Amino acid sequence: DTEVTQTPKHLVMGMTNKKSLKCEQHMGHRAMYWYKQKAKKPPELMFVYSYEKLSINESVPSRFSPECPNSSLLNLHLHALQPEDSALYLCASSQDWTYNEQFFGPGTRLTVL
Amino acid sequence: EDQVTQSPEALRLQEGESSSLNCSYTVSGLRGLFWYRQDPGKGPEFLFTLYSAGEEKEKERLKATLTKKESFLHITAPKPEDSATYLCAVHNTGNQFYFGTGTSLTVIP
Repeated sequence: DTEVTQTPKHLVMGMTNKKSLKCEQHMGHRAMYWYKQKAKKPPELMFVYSYEKLSINESVPSRFSPECPNSSLLNLHLHALQPEDSALYLCASSQDWTYNEQFFGPGTRLTVL
Repeated sequence: EDQVTQSPEALRLQEGESSSLNCSYTVSGLRGLFWYRQDPGKGPEFLFTLYSAGEEKEKERLKATLTKKESFLHITAPKPEDSATYLCAVHNTGNQFYFGTGTSLTVIP
């Protein structure tokens, strides 16, 4: 199984809502990533989880909160988002934290009203 | 400051017309350079990893090469199904990872 799954596919939320994005992989990969991608732009790395350690892109606001319940699951908790946070959120995984050969999920299309 | 720039921004080719995409990088130290393709509405799909100048990788109609300042993705006799956005990315010795600006390729039948 070389698939990364993401749920939901689409999400619409208000600025006062709390929601979560979910990502799952069963390839035994030890690194998982969250990216944000705006239209016509490349993906931007937000977080990396590897061997129970979290690495944060310092430019990511605290209204985004990652959680890694186990080595196969990665969640992204969303709280008090802004309309400019509307984007495609991509999850990826790789064998280890070398960024090599990342497998990407199909993404969650998020709209913040 | 590290930079990864791709050119051209967009490229239209006739089917069978070979060409090259460029990825220029300025990084403090390179640990790896990666190529991905991304279809509209989907996540990127891994193509190649290059680690050192002079290295080359091939897969079907695609060939990636690396110098100390840039990488090229050569597309030989492209087909319409090669239409996609091609992204390069770098991993530097500061353990940072950046995607380049991307090249949107359209292959016309």
